[in-house]
Formats: sequence, C-alpha cells, structure tokens
Amino acid sequence: EVRLVESGGGLVQPGGSLRLSCAASGFTLSSYAMSWVRQAPGKGLEWVASISGTDGRTYLADSVKGRFAMSRDSAKNTVFLQMNRLRVEDTATYYCAQWHTTNWYYEGGTFDFWGQGTLVSVSS
Amino acid sequence: SFDLTQPPSVSVSPGQTASITCSGDKLGDKYTSWYQQKPGQSPVVIIFLDEKRPSAIPERFSGSTSGNTATLTVSGARPEDEADYYCQAWDRNTVVFGGGTKLTVL
Repeated sequence: EVRLVESGGGLVQPGGSLRLSCAASGFTLSSYAMSWVRQAPGKGLEWVASISGTDGRTYLADSVKGRFAMSRDSAKNTVFLQMNRLRVEDTATYYCAQWHTTNWYYEGGTFDFWGQGTLVSVSS
Repeated sequence: SFDLTQPPSVSVSPGQTASITCSGDKLGDKYTSWYQQKPGQSPVVIIFLDEKRPSAIPERFSGSTSGNTATLTVSGARPEDEADYYCQAWDRNTVVFGGGTKLTVL
C-alpha cells in the first residue's frame, strides 16, 4: 500500500526557512517522480516542485525558483522541500504526491497518490 | 504561460448529469487528468489520459476532449459527488492545474 506522510510544517516569519519532509512507504522513491503541490487556504491547487525518479533532476515553479529546493534521501525513502526566504503568499497546505511514472518528463502523467498535507503559515 | 480555465461552480440535481469543462490553448495536444477534492481531504485522481478511470472510481465519472476543451461528466450525480474538481495538464516540465470547479448537488 502506497503511503505518503508529510511533516515539518508550522508557523514562520516572513524571510524565514522551513524544511518539509515526505516519508514514502509501499514503493521505492527511485521508481517514481515525486512532487510537492500546495493549496492556499480556500484556493486551488498549485504545483511547486518535482524530482525525477531516474536521475534526481529537479524542476521548480517560477513562483519559488531561487527560494525553494527539492531533494531526496533514497536510504530513508524520503523527499524534502527546503523553503527559504518565505513570503506571506507561501502560506498553504503542502502536499507530497507520487507521479505516475519514473520520469518527470511524461506528458500523460498524473498524480496517483497524495499525502494528507502539512500546513505552512508565514506571518509576522 | 499555459493556463487552464474552469467554471467556478456547477450545480446539478441528484440523478442528473453534470459537465465540468476545462479549456486551454492547445489543450487538445496534451493529456488531461481530473481530481476530486472533498472538504478537508487530499485530492484524488478520477480521470487520467483524458478519459481513463482508475479502477476504484465509479463508472458515472467519465472524461472526454474536443478541440482545446476537456470535459468531466458526472452521470447520475449523487450527493456524495459534491466536491471541488480540478483539471491538470503537463506542459514543458511543469504541471498546470485549472482553478477548480465546485460541484453542488442539490
């Protein structure tokens, strides 16, 4: 059974940093691309970042480039989202999601499994 | 940038058919997925590759495309189908979501 468990959310001041974790079980991380998708309170879904299962290459949304970084620890079967220089508009629930294929570069891809999300609040 | 446009809300009576559209430039050249999200829950994929349905999803959910518009159809809507629905497409190493449609069954 695929399971994704996010952690690391919390309240942080603007300009601060947080590191989110997503512990995966039921599959091997290198077999699938993984992503972070966020949802601001009462708003829609926004893709944030992805990491390809094959080569670990990362992809970031323009809104977070230069501030966020995604990585993984294969030994712990965990992916991370390092968030720096946080802004008020980064306030959201952050979901970890499994992509349909190993390679992120797949036009027919879909997010097959989602975690329960972790809330990040950026406020002074 | 690539954008996907959905109607903010759609209403349907129980047992009737609801259609939710998703439009975008050259969407017809891409694959569309659809997600259902109920209050306080994580999204769940209900349609992928335009029209395919995961085995656990009821047959009353179907997807189709025509030109640059993808459509999610809920045939014989039930009260438990009341939720937010999002379309999604992959474009040049990014994923784009539509703004979401709130389906009300009443």
